Amino acid sequence: EPEVTQTPSHQVTQMGQEVILRCVPISNHLYFYWYRQILGQKVEFLVSFYNNEISEKSEIFDDQFSVERPDGSNFTLKIRSTKLEDSAMYFCASSRSARGGELFFGEGSRLTVL
Amino acid sequence: ELKVEQNPLFLSMQEGKNYTIYCNYSTTSDRLYWYRQDPGKSLESLFVLLSNGAVKQEGRLMASLDTKARLSTLHITAAVHDLSATYFCAVDMTGTYKYIFGTGTRLKVLA
Repeated sequence: EPEVTQTPSHQVTQMGQEVILRCVPISNHLYFYWYRQILGQKVEFLVSFYNNEISEKSEIFDDQFSVERPDGSNFTLKIRSTKLEDSAMYFCASSRSARGGELFFGEGSRLTVL
Repeated sequence: ELKVEQNPLFLSMQEGKNYTIYCNYSTTSDRLYWYRQDPGKSLESLFVLLSNGAVKQEGRLMASLDTKARLSTLHITAAVHDLSATYFCAVDMTGTYKYIFGTGTRLKVLA
């Protein structure tokens, strides 16, 4: 069964360092998303991506964050200069359609900023 | 700004009992989704509700959608321990490319 894969599963970094989280969405999906979840709490929307550009972004997704699809399979989230409050679980998701399509989530990347 | 609220936030129930989780949202949408999350794990899709009056059932779980009331319910019938998890509803906003998740309901089923 097709699945969304994410790497790394856990990353520990020092405050101020750059981090790249990687995702491989399901191959025939067209819409890609990043969400984050702090300590098992609310699942917060960060950004959606379609046709090689950002479709929507939240207030959390400031200039420190960027996304790109460098090739036909990978979808990355970059945090340029990490802060302590960026510590969270980051989930990548993909869907076949923009509305009415369920999201399929990866297993998540746990980011710990020290 | 779309708000999606669930209640209760925490639910502890005995095996064999029935209960309902409620999901209210603040803006017009005719699409609602339910997800399950086990501790330390990812989110698993349970139900996709795409119209007013939609009802879906899987095992001991049944979800329904009332778009006029902006309300969805997740009903648990004869709960078993394996249903212990956190349940999230999510709404996609009309005209946007984002799904907003509810606050989550942490369910614990006691043997």
